Amino acid sequence: QKEVEQDPGPLSVPEGAIVSLNCTYSNSAFQYFMWYRQYSRKGPELLMYTYSSGNKEDGRFTAQVDKSSKYISLFIRDSQPSDSATYLCAMTEEEYGNKLVFGAGTILRVKS
Amino acid sequence: DGGITQSPKYLFRKEGQNVTLSCEQNLNHDAMYWYRQDPGQGLRLIYYSQIVNDFQKGDIAEGYSVSREKKESFPLTVTSAQKNPTAFYLCASSIRGAPNTEAFFGQGTRLTVV
Repeated sequence: QKEVEQDPGPLSVPEGAIVSLNCTYSNSAFQYFMWYRQYSRKGPELLMYTYSSGNKEDGRFTAQVDKSSKYISLFIRDSQPSDSATYLCAMTEEEYGNKLVFGAGTILRVKS
Repeated sequence: DGGITQSPKYLFRKEGQNVTLSCEQNLNHDAMYWYRQDPGQGLRLIYYSQIVNDFQKGDIAEGYSVSREKKESFPLTVTSAQKNPTAFYLCASSIRGAPNTEAFFGQGTRLTVV
């Protein structure tokens, strides 16, 4: 079993839809959770960062962490074709050191 | 512009050859990292370096080597011992001791064995 599980998709939605992307994990020591967006043939860029459980909102993006269920989510409201990318979850036990464990990434396609 | 530059963008390797991937940064970051990305497996850490002349193995270091002679540069050599080198390679850097949010990635090198 992988330490972090993420459905690779692809997930295809119409423009304007609400998108839900999810990851589950097995290591209860993970405390820091990140979502990266990666466009085709590019490096990942950090989208959201959350510590411990709870919600964090940034514009059209909301990150949720449920440590009791070992489950994290990223919601995208009013999805746009420019949101089409691969979304990677990542998590770590430590705030420093960048020893991140990544999910496989979910391919998202937003159709206009 | 400040950033991380990886070269080349595409690289082809023959069986049994060593190849070196370049990573240069002008962000004055102390720490640098190499990841490998395969379809369906996300990113896996190969090597990382927190300061010049020092580096540590990551989770999948076998078949790879690195050097850190300069703060700005962290080249990765894929040796003939790496049995399945075809992948997308990503370099990242951060300020030493900075939280994980401060890591920046390059644009990647796609290596293909021919």
